[in-house]
Amino acid sequence: EIVLTQSPATLSLSPGERATLSCRASQSIRTSLAWHQQKPGQAPRLLIYDASKRATGIPARFSGSGSGTDFTLTISSLEPEDFAVYYCQQRSSRPPFTFGPGTKVDIK
Amino acid sequence: EVQLVESGGGLVKPGGSLRLSCVASGLTFTNAWMTWVRQAPGKGLEWVGRIKSENDGGTTDYAAPVKGRFTISREDARNTLYLHMNSLQTEDTAVYYCLTTLVGYDRNLFDSWGQGTLVTVSS
Repeated sequence: EIVLTQSPATLSLSPGERATLSCRASQSIRTSLAWHQQKPGQAPRLLIYDASKRATGIPARFSGSGSGTDFTLTISSLEPEDFAVYYCQQRSSRPPFTFGPGTKVDIK
Repeated sequence: EVQLVESGGGLVKPGGSLRLSCVASGLTFTNAWMTWVRQAPGKGLEWVGRIKSENDGGTTDYAAPVKGRFTISREDARNTLYLHMNSLQTEDTAVYYCLTTLVGYDRNLFDSWGQGTLVTVSS
């Protein structure tokens, strides 16, 4: 099973600042990584798939990068609605398609 | 508009069974690979399992904690996905979501999620 770790656990930032979230896989998953955003009381929303492709309707301020075992989600300038929990998920050909533990982005 | 609606959650005693349903609309269900994800109260997301379309073999994969206890099935004639849960444990208490991945208007992918159904395992 591929294990994902995320850092930091919590990121405290102000609106307009840049957010950089990290995800590390226990073995190479090439670019088979997705990022999800979840707000309280809501189902998650897919932001990024294949490490760097924005999902339908996702604003350009969200970008993903990385390959192999190290991945990054960047939010270029935080909007008020971006304060949420972010999960990475491996989507390689090998189930289980595990999630990372999440990074909470909260308002400083 | 794609819509997934789960039902069947509730309170069940440890060792008991429950069947969740997920009814899909607005998509070609027969072609969809469907997934169950759960989230324990105040915790992160946990992938539960997946079923491929019948055209792709209809095979299933499960996470280790549920393998042998949970079974995913589908009834394409009713556009319905099921999660049969046996030998339930308190650790299975969670909101259960069904979801599928689709191609959007811009040819990128998006996930369509249901609203979730709460399963509580308690004596």
